[in-house]
Amino acid sequence: DIQMTQSPSTLSASVGDRVTITCRAGQRITSYLNWYQQKPGKAPKLLIYAATNYQSGVPSRFSGSGSGTDFTLTISSLQPEDFATYYCQQTYGSPRTFGQGTKVEVK
Amino acid sequence: EVQLVESGGGLAQPGGSLRLSCAVSGFTVSANSMSWVRQAPGKGLEWVSVTYSGGNTNYADSVKGRFTISGDNSKNTLYFQMNSLRVEDTAVYYCARGDQWLVDWGQGTLVTVSS
Repeated sequence: DIQMTQSPSTLSASVGDRVTITCRAGQRITSYLNWYQQKPGKAPKLLIYAATNYQSGVPSRFSGSGSGTDFTLTISSLQPEDFATYYCQQTYGSPRTFGQGTKVEVK
Repeated sequence: EVQLVESGGGLAQPGGSLRLSCAVSGFTVSANSMSWVRQAPGKGLEWVSVTYSGGNTNYADSVKGRFTISGDNSKNTLYFQMNSLRVEDTAVYYCARGDQWLVDWGQGTLVTVSS
């Protein structure tokens, strides 16, 4: 199985902050990397697919970068509705594995 | 409008069975890859299974041989037959459209395995 490691596990930030979440794969996964946002009691929502592509309707303050083993999700200016947990997922190999999640909380 | 609505969750005893349903509107199940993802209480997301439009299926090792993913074209519904349930299968189960990325998700259905 391909292990996905996110950092940090928890991130304290304020509205307007630039936020960066990192995801590292245990082996090269080219660009087979997706990012999801999940709010409490809700289903996950696809934000970024194939490392850098915006899902329709996702605000442009979200961006994804990286390839190979190291990937980044950046929120350029954190908004109140962005406080949530974020997960990366690799789909290069099976089983499709998720990172452990990064909770973005109010500072 | 795309909608996925799961049902069939509930309380089951260890060793028991449940069948989850995912009723879909807005697209055709048989023409898409469809996945199940679960989330244990307070934990992260775990990919569980996928079925492809060509009929192939795949499972996480943790459920292989116990769970079966299938679809009903006439009802446009995805199913997840869960047998030989274990306490560690307790989770919210989500159905989702896709495999390379999961575009649309249902609201989830809670499965609790306890004696």
